Amino acid sequence: DAKTTQPPSMDCAEGRAANLPCNHSTISGNEYVYWYRQIHSQGPQYIIHGLKNNETNEMASLIITEDRKSSTLILPHATLRDTAVYYCIVRGESNFGNEKLTFGTGTRLTIIP
Amino acid sequence: DTGVSQNPRHKITKRGQNVTFRCDPISEHNRLYWYRQTLGQGPEFLTYFQNEAQLEKSRLLSDRFSAERPKGSFSTLEIQRTEQGDSAMYLCASVYGRANYGYTFGSGTRLTVV
Repeated sequence: DAKTTQPPSMDCAEGRAANLPCNHSTISGNEYVYWYRQIHSQGPQYIIHGLKNNETNEMASLIITEDRKSSTLILPHATLRDTAVYYCIVRGESNFGNEKLTFGTGTRLTIIP
Repeated sequence: DTGVSQNPRHKITKRGQNVTFRCDPISEHNRLYWYRQTLGQGPEFLTYFQNEAQLEKSRLLSDRFSAERPKGSFSTLEIQRTEQGDSAMYLCASVYGRANYGYTFGSGTRLTVV
């Protein structure tokens, strides 16, 4: 599995855009970039994923660089409920094709009122 | 279905006792995963089922751990002779088909071994 590197923590003011970076310089051509978040005492929640192109959904936008070695998750108007640990994951596959997720330690995002 | 359900939410047990956790995935999801999460760390993969077949087990899953998914529906994770190092959050996730649209995780079972 390609490894990812994220800053351990970030702060963002409520109502502003939160931009969470992730480096994945060893990503291979067929690997997707996934973002999950985990709010305290809950299981991880899927946010968005992408391969090459930028992606947007109702929760966030994902910007992937042209060389695919890094990406940025953007929460356009952060709210207090966005305070969570955010995980950037490059999806791996085993010999059995189980597509397990390999989590790092993520970025703890704190939204400041 | 409103999501992946895990029971119990919390379990405190004495060292050496056996414990069993249950996961009820979203009904149409054919793939089910167990992960373990210790404090300050991200979840770690334990094992994976496709329908009722257990297709992969992590090296983290020692002989004291066993998981089943009879009939490809709910799954159980049993830990025998618990040790203090087993204290963690045990998370279950399910997905239908290929995981291109993300897994749905349950809220987990927090195990404390005293």
